[in-house]
Amino acid sequence: QSVLTQPPSVSGAPGQGVTISCTGGTSNIGAGNDVNWYQHVPGASPRLLISRTYNRPSGVPDRFSGSKSGASASLAITGLQAEDEGDYYCQSYDRSLTVVFGGGTTLTVL
Amino acid sequence: QVQLQESGPGLVRPSQTLSLTCTVSGASLRSGNFWTWIRQFPGKGLEWIGYTYHTGTTFYNPSLKSRIIISVDVSKNQFSLNLSSVTAADTAVYYCARDVYGPPGNRFDLWGQGTLVTVSS
Repeated sequence: QSVLTQPPSVSGAPGQGVTISCTGGTSNIGAGNDVNWYQHVPGASPRLLISRTYNRPSGVPDRFSGSKSGASASLAITGLQAEDEGDYYCQSYDRSLTVVFGGGTTLTVL
Repeated sequence: QVQLQESGPGLVRPSQTLSLTCTVSGASLRSGNFWTWIRQFPGKGLEWIGYTYHTGTTFYNPSLKSRIIISVDVSKNQFSLNLSSVTAADTAVYYCARDVYGPPGNRFDLWGQGTLVTVSS
């Protein structure tokens, strides 16, 4: 059971947009800690997609954006492309002195 | 270009010790980052195991602390994971990764390709 809760799956047609939620609590996201998002496509290593809740590392398209409200965070993807298919994970830091991850969300581009 | 590469046995017997090494190329372990182990279970969930700094300072996941040793060899630009008393529940893909900030702003900007370790007799 992951500390951060994500929906198991989301889907959307090419060109459409989707949002992936990440719900934590007062000991992690709600404590003001940053949220990071990772993309894991088959056959590749996980990739840092969103850093410090809102920031895109170099090379990440502006179709990807992050936001946060209270103890929850969201990853929005616009203009879906087939190459976006894969698993997406949120990650934060918990007051228990542990790095915590969400359970992952599988994105299917229909 | 910085790269991380895991190496070690793909099969470990129950109750034995899992030992993996991560070789870093293109950057020095002395660069000030936190060198980390993360695992991914077959059901896809990720778990942070712990990290080492180049000085040898370590920090471990409290749930695994009694079974973990993470060490560093700066002369070889490698860091290693030893996980003792393994069970089938330790079967996972093990990744080494670079944490560019450390707590509480931990974020992992580089990952190895991962290595599958199966615990089975």
